[in-house]
Amino acid sequence: KAGVTQTPRYLIKTRGQQVTLSCSPISGHRSVSWYQQTPGQGLQFLFEYFSETQRNKGNFPGRFSGRQFSNSRSEMNVSTLELGDSALYLCASSSLGGNEKLFFGSGTQLSVL
Amino acid sequence: GENVEQHPSTLSVQEGDSAVIKCTYSDSASNYFPWYKQELGKRPQLIIDIRSNVGEKKDQRIAVTLNKTAKHFSLHITETQPEDSAVYFCAASYNTGNQFYFGTGTSLTVIP
Repeated sequence: KAGVTQTPRYLIKTRGQQVTLSCSPISGHRSVSWYQQTPGQGLQFLFEYFSETQRNKGNFPGRFSGRQFSNSRSEMNVSTLELGDSALYLCASSSLGGNEKLFFGSGTQLSVL
Repeated sequence: GENVEQHPSTLSVQEGDSAVIKCTYSDSASNYFPWYKQELGKRPQLIIDIRSNVGEKKDQRIAVTLNKTAKHFSLHITETQPEDSAVYFCAASYNTGNQFYFGTGTSLTVIP
């Protein structure tokens, strides 16, 4: 099976722009969750989608949004980018989405200038 | 919400020695505690996990212990090897979805 695929691998944006990140889960996995990773902060939960519905949401501003398509692929959008949004964005998939092993993608490294 | 604290932030050991990383959590409802290893430039990968109905779990050189009363859990790596060098993250979860609260990570260096 192919692993979790995230595109693009790197992104450079300027403040005020918006960005869309994509994640393709492992075939058959219905849960996709997104995490922001920054040095010293660890991984912070953004949101989780299961069967096209947002099931859980972390404490991030409304500028961060996401969606999931019928094929379980997920996108994350960040509008009105700020310098502090610079981070590695990881998505993770799992089959059932209930306290189980997460399979992470390689991440999208976002730099906001 | 849940808060997970992890210590130490950095750890250096001699090859062959043991390494211990400790985490505490705040919400007694948490019932699943995984540990992830992230090598430099790579994605996090699950190395071991434990559920709240178990006190200890072992997998070869790796073990995890859980003390629900004290709300802390620990990762133990014995006979460390240079390939164990990585950042280790603990996490806790308590709901039916995949919302995990991660610690801030421990950078482990095994000195040959």
